[in-house]
Amino acid sequence: AQSVTQPDIHITVSEGASLELRCNYSYGATPYLFWYVQSPGQGLQLLLKYFSGDTLVQGIKGFEAEFKRSQSSFNLRKPSVHWSDAAEYFCAVHPGTALSFGKGTTLSVSS
Amino acid sequence: SQTIHQWPATLVQPVGSPLSLECTVEGTSNPNLYWYRQAAGRGLQLLFYSVGIGQISSEVPQNLSASRPQDRQFILSSKKLLLSDSGFYLCAWSVGGQGWTPLHFGNGTRLTVT
Repeated sequence: AQSVTQPDIHITVSEGASLELRCNYSYGATPYLFWYVQSPGQGLQLLLKYFSGDTLVQGIKGFEAEFKRSQSSFNLRKPSVHWSDAAEYFCAVHPGTALSFGKGTTLSVSS
Repeated sequence: SQTIHQWPATLVQPVGSPLSLECTVEGTSNPNLYWYRQAAGRGLQLLFYSVGIGQISSEVPQNLSASRPQDRQFILSSKKLLLSDSGFYLCAWSVGGQGWTPLHFGNGTRLTVT
């Protein structure tokens, strides 16, 4: 069965610094990959998705992610973090019955 | 445009009481519908999904059930709540019949069982 691992439970980044959130998946073929963001007490918002083609995908809010087949990774990046980026971030993978989510990484932004 | 409504936003229920959470989607037809539960530090757990009216698949055997009485309505229920049912419940939809498309989530229901 496919699975998603987000190794970092909590990350703190200074405002204006770059960000990379890690995601590794386990699946025999190339899955569909997603990153979602969740603000406290809210639902999840889709940041970006990878289905096929260019391995560097651009998303909303200035985020991007790169699919690396050799490393089974789909890391999320942002060149300059803003205080409003503080939230919980989830990596998710398909195929399967529905999306399988990692356990999330909480991002704190320090001033 | 499509919208998803989930209610109530918060709910406090005693152990042993029934539960009914409702989710409706507007602006699309025959969506795939999902119920997820989110517990702190455990990510999102898929509870039920539905690809059509009356078609419910359960991912995790437990104290909960789901129904889809109408095309764009998805209900999560329990006859008797347990303390372990506390959590944040999220409804989601995706486009049905067109291969895989992303999930779109409602704002969730915070359920506290006391």
